[in-house]
Amino acid sequence: AQKVTQAQTEISVVEKEDVTLDCVYETRDTTYYLFWYKQPPSGELVFLIRRNSFDEQNEISGRYSWNFQKSTSSFNFTITASQVVDSAVYFCALRGSGTYKYIFGTGTRLKVLA
Amino acid sequence: GAVVSQHPSWVICKSGTSVKIECRSLDFQATTMFWYRQFPKQSLMLMATSNEGSKATYEQGVEKDKFLINHASLTLSTLTVTSAHPEDSSFYICSARDLDRVGNTEAFFGQGTRLTVV
Repeated sequence: AQKVTQAQTEISVVEKEDVTLDCVYETRDTTYYLFWYKQPPSGELVFLIRRNSFDEQNEISGRYSWNFQKSTSSFNFTITASQVVDSAVYFCALRGSGTYKYIFGTGTRLKVLA
Repeated sequence: GAVVSQHPSWVICKSGTSVKIECRSLDFQATTMFWYRQFPKQSLMLMATSNEGSKATYEQGVEKDKFLINHASLTLSTLTVTSAHPEDSSFYICSARDLDRVGNTEAFFGQGTRLTVV
């Protein structure tokens, strides 16, 4: 069975603080894909990153960075120098090879306070 | 490219009526689209897989007679909530894969439809 766990339901930080959102996944597939999406109050899903299971390189994009560790089945997301505009719900998701069904975590609501 | 559009963005309907939600891939073809439901402050749960030219595949616990899915063309899937009740109030979001993109990529999500049944 596939599962994505985001243990942090809600996080509040003060602007300019760094924050890490945790994601732990379970799958028996050897090939799989992990994703992070941002969902602002308007509801649409904003794609942030896709990571293939065979590529464990960490990635940095501006203030965003992702740490993928297969040994711990984790795919954590860090925002450095957080801003109020980062306030949203963030979802981690998993899909196996051969399918475009996504398994979403329960989401982490991030509140960045000015 | 790879834009998925849903219509309407929000809808309010009376209990007992039916509501149709459209999911269109604007600049690509999609033989398969997916419908998700998100209750307030909850995660997105897959409801069904919409297959062009054939019957949809529903996830366990989803009533196929209540949530009618039609995928009549390579760019359009529709979800009809029949005899809607207040408990059907939710955020419905679809996704689609671009057939012509080489290799595995992400599915593209529509902007969602917020349904309120009163």
